[in-house]
Amino acid sequence: DAKTTQPPSMDCAEGRAANLPCNHSTISGNEYVYWYRQIHSQGPQYIIHGLKNNETNEMASLIITEDRKSSTLILPHATLRDTAVYYCIVSSGGSNYKLTFGKGTLLTVNP
Amino acid sequence: DAGITQSPRYKITETGRQVTLMCHQTWSHSYMFWYRQDLGHGLRLIYYSAAADITDKGEVPDGYVVSRSKTENFPLTLESATRSQTSVYFCASKGRESSYNEQFFGPGTRLTVL
Repeated sequence: DAKTTQPPSMDCAEGRAANLPCNHSTISGNEYVYWYRQIHSQGPQYIIHGLKNNETNEMASLIITEDRKSSTLILPHATLRDTAVYYCIVSSGGSNYKLTFGKGTLLTVNP
Repeated sequence: DAGITQSPRYKITETGRQVTLMCHQTWSHSYMFWYRQDLGHGLRLIYYSAAADITDKGEVPDGYVVSRSKTENFPLTLESATRSQTSVYFCASKGRESSYNEQFFGPGTRLTVL
């Protein structure tokens, strides 16, 4: 699975949009981009995933560049409860569905 | 209660002792996973299972043993605990019917080996 690069930390004001970038320049054609987050001391939580089209669900939006070498997770109206480590993961799935977590981005939402 | 649970939530043991961490899920998910999380390493996959009686090694399997006699349970055993196995352990599951990789994680077990 391709490797991802994320900034170690970011800050965001409460109520504003949080835009979390991820680089995955070696992504291959059958690999999806997944985003998970981990709130302090809890297990990770799935947020969203995409292949090449932009995706939106009740939690977030995912914007993938046309060349698929980078993506941005958008939390449209960040709240204090969105403070967490966000992981961008590239995975091809297949028969085992292994996930390889990097160090992620610590997003701190400030009041 | 529906969901994925882990027990115990906290465990302190001594070097050389055998420890078993339990994971139970009520969704009848086919896939189950064990991860460990250490400062500076993020989450690393220890073992995974695609179905009952089918298990395979992940990234860091040494020192661990797993079994999966029932779909809903996936215990992780440290046969002879070492200090380097002090960590937070997370279990996860995923349904076969979903083609994408949405894994559901348990609350974790914090293990300290003295």
